[in-house]
Amino acid sequence: AQKITQTQPGMFVQEKEAVTLDCTYDTSDQSYGLFWYKQPSSGEMIFLIYQGSYDEQNATEGRYSLNFQKARKSANLVISASQLGDSAMYFCAMREGYNTDKLIFGTGTRLQVFP
Amino acid sequence: EAGVAQSPRYKIIEKRQSVAFWCNPISGHATLYWYQQILGQGPKLLIQFQNNGVVDDSQLPKDRFSAERLKGVDSTLKIQPAKLEDSAVYLCASSTQGAAETQYFGPGTRLLVL
Repeated sequence: AQKITQTQPGMFVQEKEAVTLDCTYDTSDQSYGLFWYKQPSSGEMIFLIYQGSYDEQNATEGRYSLNFQKARKSANLVISASQLGDSAMYFCAMREGYNTDKLIFGTGTRLQVFP
Repeated sequence: EAGVAQSPRYKIIEKRQSVAFWCNPISGHATLYWYQQILGQGPKLLIQFQNNGVVDDSQLPKDRFSAERLKGVDSTLKIQPAKLEDSAVYLCASSTQGAAETQYFGPGTRLLVL
């Protein structure tokens, strides 16, 4: 079974609007971490935001926020006030347990921001 | 602070040839990772080093792939002999010591095997 599922292969959003990228995960661990990375066409993976399974508040980093719904096992990324430079692939990833570094990535969502 | 450096950025080889990729992590980062990202997929961990020791290489195809990190700093990933299905982006990442730390990625090496 897939551990990380990103069901949206592509999303379009107009500049200055907000957009939500979906991510669901599957784990039996109580302790885990969820990450979002951005991958522009240049190829590097840029870390955006992190949510720990025990964090009670949703993580926020500037225009990025993570809508963490533990019971539904979802960790959606919300980008507010989209910019043209936000056009890229976005990957959700999970680290299971506390004593491991291994990240498991989803298949990604391509976001296109148009003027 | 300089990021993770990788070279070359692009490589085209024929099947059965060998190829090597180099990675220099962020200064002070004890943990180094190599990922393989096939087109249309997310990255998959190949091998993880803690200083110069291997922590996890369970997904490394050891019959053709090898990696080393001799002095606990930079690392080399080698493929010998290459197959068509090895065409992918090879990403290197590093993090400070500790399982809860964020991984920071380099720009990747795009490999095309003909």
